Amino acid sequence: GAGVSQTPSNKVTEKGKYVELRCDPISGHTALYWYRQSLGQGPEFLIYFQGTGAADDSGLPNDRFFAVRPEGSVSTLKIQRTERGDSAVYLCASSLGTGDIQYFGAGTRLSVL
Amino acid sequence: AQKITQTQPGMFVQEKEAVTLDCTYDTSDQSYGLFWYKQPSSGEMIFLIYQGSYDEQNATEGRYSLNFQKARKSANLVISASQLGDSAMYFCAFEDNYGQNFVFGPGTRLSVLP
Repeated sequence: GAGVSQTPSNKVTEKGKYVELRCDPISGHTALYWYRQSLGQGPEFLIYFQGTGAADDSGLPNDRFFAVRPEGSVSTLKIQRTERGDSAVYLCASSLGTGDIQYFGAGTRLSVL
Repeated sequence: AQKITQTQPGMFVQEKEAVTLDCTYDTSDQSYGLFWYKQPSSGEMIFLIYQGSYDEQNATEGRYSLNFQKARKSANLVISASQLGDSAMYFCAFEDNYGQNFVFGPGTRLSVLP
C-alpha cells in the first residue's frame, strides 16, 4: 500500500509569508507525528496527533506554528510569519497507534528567503 | 528530559565487514523503547529495528542486530556483511513508556567502502 505522502516536496517562500505543509498518513494509522530536521541534525519532535486531537504539542517552537488533523487522517502544519530560521526539512510520520513503529514520509524542504 | 548520544559523527567500513554504531541514552524511566532508523541521501527515514526495555533478547532483523545493555543504557546497532547501499545516516531514537517523548540522536554517517 501507499506510504506516508508529504506535499509539497519543496517550498520556497519569503520571510513573513504564511505556509502550509501537508501530510497524508498510511491508511488506518491513527497516530501522526511532525518533526523538523535541520541540516546535519537529527529530527526534532514538534507535535503528535492521536486521531483528531493533538496529544502532545510540546515541541512546537512558538505560536507561529500550528497543526491540525480535522478528520483524523490528513494533517496540515501551518507556519505564520515565516522566518529564515524556519528553513529545514519538515518530516511527517504515522503509526498504527501510539507507541507503534513510525513510518516516515520523504519530507518537505522549506526554504525561507 | 531524555537524551540520546551518538558519539561517532562518521564511520567507515569495508564492504562485507561488520560495523557497530554506538548509541547511549539517558532516562530515569524503567519502561521505554529504542529504535534505529536509516536515512539515505534521498532523505526518507527508514525503520530498521526496535528494542523494548523489557525484551529479554536482543532484537535482530536480517543483517541488523541490536546490542542492548540496559544497565549501561546503551543500544548499539550492529550491521553484518556491510553493503554499499548501507551508506547513509543512522539515527538512534527513544520513546517513553507511553509512546511519547520521541527523541532522536544526532546521527552517525556510515560510509561503506568497496
